[in-house]
Amino acid sequence: QQKVQQSPESLSVPEGGMASFNCTSSDRNFQYFWWYRQHSGEGPKALMSIFSDGDKKEGRFTAHLNKASLHVSLHIRDSQPSDSALYFCAASEPDMGYKLTFGTGTSLLVDP
Amino acid sequence: NAGVIQTPRHKVTGKGQEATLWCEPISGHSAVFWYRQTIVQGLEFLTYFRNQAPIDDSGMPKERFSAQMPNQSHSTLKIQSTQPQDSAVYLCASSSGTGNAEQFFGPGTRLTVL
Repeated sequence: QQKVQQSPESLSVPEGGMASFNCTSSDRNFQYFWWYRQHSGEGPKALMSIFSDGDKKEGRFTAHLNKASLHVSLHIRDSQPSDSALYFCAASEPDMGYKLTFGTGTSLLVDP
Repeated sequence: NAGVIQTPRHKVTGKGQEATLWCEPISGHSAVFWYRQTIVQGLEFLTYFRNQAPIDDSGMPKERFSAQMPNQSHSTLKIQSTQPQDSAVYLCASSSGTGNAEQFFGPGTRLTVL
């Protein structure tokens, strides 16, 4: 069973629009959540991490965590064609050395 | 800062041959992680080192796969008797090793087993 479920599988938004991604964990040992982005031919690159309930905003990116439901989301406002990539949520726990357990990923296409 | 360096970027092997993948972590980083990425399984943890010591290899297939970190500047992932199902992108990441530090990924090595 996948410990980190991610949706949707793919997403298409117009340039300037809002892109939203969702992630739910089935393991309450996870305490830290990350969002990573991967462009074709490159390794994943961290966008932001969140571990407290509520919202965290960094520029055009806003992450939200609900610890009770183990649900985390990412929203990108004013999406740009350069945002087209694979987006992964990842979870980690201190007792497991912070190794990352990744979700299945969402493919984002921003139409110019 | 050159980031995490992985070599080779692409490797093609025949079934039954050995493949060795190399990773140079970011200077000063004490934690090195290996992950594998496939279309079917997604991104999976394989193993990680802290201060060159192996800490967790729970994601490594028990046979044919081994990883080492002989010094702080490089780690290797070796696959013996490669099989077609080993075809994947192998990713190395490093972090400062303190708490929930960001993991910086290399570009990966695409392994194709014919």
